[in-house]
Amino acid sequence: AQTVTQSQPEMSVQEAETVTLSCTYDTSESNYYLFWYKQPPSRQMILVIRQEAYKQQNATENRFSVNFQKAAKSFSLKISDSQLGDTAMYFCAFMKPEGFVFGPGTRLSVLP
Amino acid sequence: GAGVSQSPSNKVTEKGKDVELRCDPISGHTALYWYRQSLGQGLEFLIYFQGNSAPDKSGLPSDRFSAERTGGSVSTLTIQRTQQEDSAVYLCASSLMAGVNTDTQYFGPGTRLTVL
Repeated sequence: AQTVTQSQPEMSVQEAETVTLSCTYDTSESNYYLFWYKQPPSRQMILVIRQEAYKQQNATENRFSVNFQKAAKSFSLKISDSQLGDTAMYFCAFMKPEGFVFGPGTRLSVLP
Repeated sequence: GAGVSQSPSNKVTEKGKDVELRCDPISGHTALYWYRQSLGQGLEFLIYFQGNSAPDKSGLPSDRFSAERTGGSVSTLTIQRTQQEDSAVYLCASSLMAGVNTDTQYFGPGTRLTVL
């Protein structure tokens, strides 16, 4: 079975500080994509960052970066200089040709 | 079943045809969501059902899209007169109920729709 685990159901961080959300996954596939999605109360799922499994270099998008450890099947998300607008549910997911597997999500609250 | 299931897993259709995509949520979950992911895009919210309330259709991209949920369980997303831009992965998710601390969403594997 292919699974995605997010071991932190809820987290909080002070504005302007850095927070890391953890994600581990289990798959026998060698070629897949990894994603972090953000879902604010509007329910719109916003793509935060993506990583191709065959790339060793960690993806970075402005304040968001990942630590991708393929051998350990770990894909954590680091948010630097946290902003109030970062408050949301964060989902880790991987995609293979047959479909998506999502983690249960981490609720992040950024405190003023 | 143990998780959210969707069928078919893949659907190839011709432009102009109608398609139906099915979602079986986790038993007992009252909230059900449909999303789609077009190539290279993020997940786009389409529609949301909560219990027997009228669905939130605010995300449906056009009147060719409709969805229903029978008996508060299985949901069908229908796309009429399909267009090539409808090609995407359609994801369904369910949660126990909508609300803080109870709205963890569990996603199905998706249906990959290809419109030729």
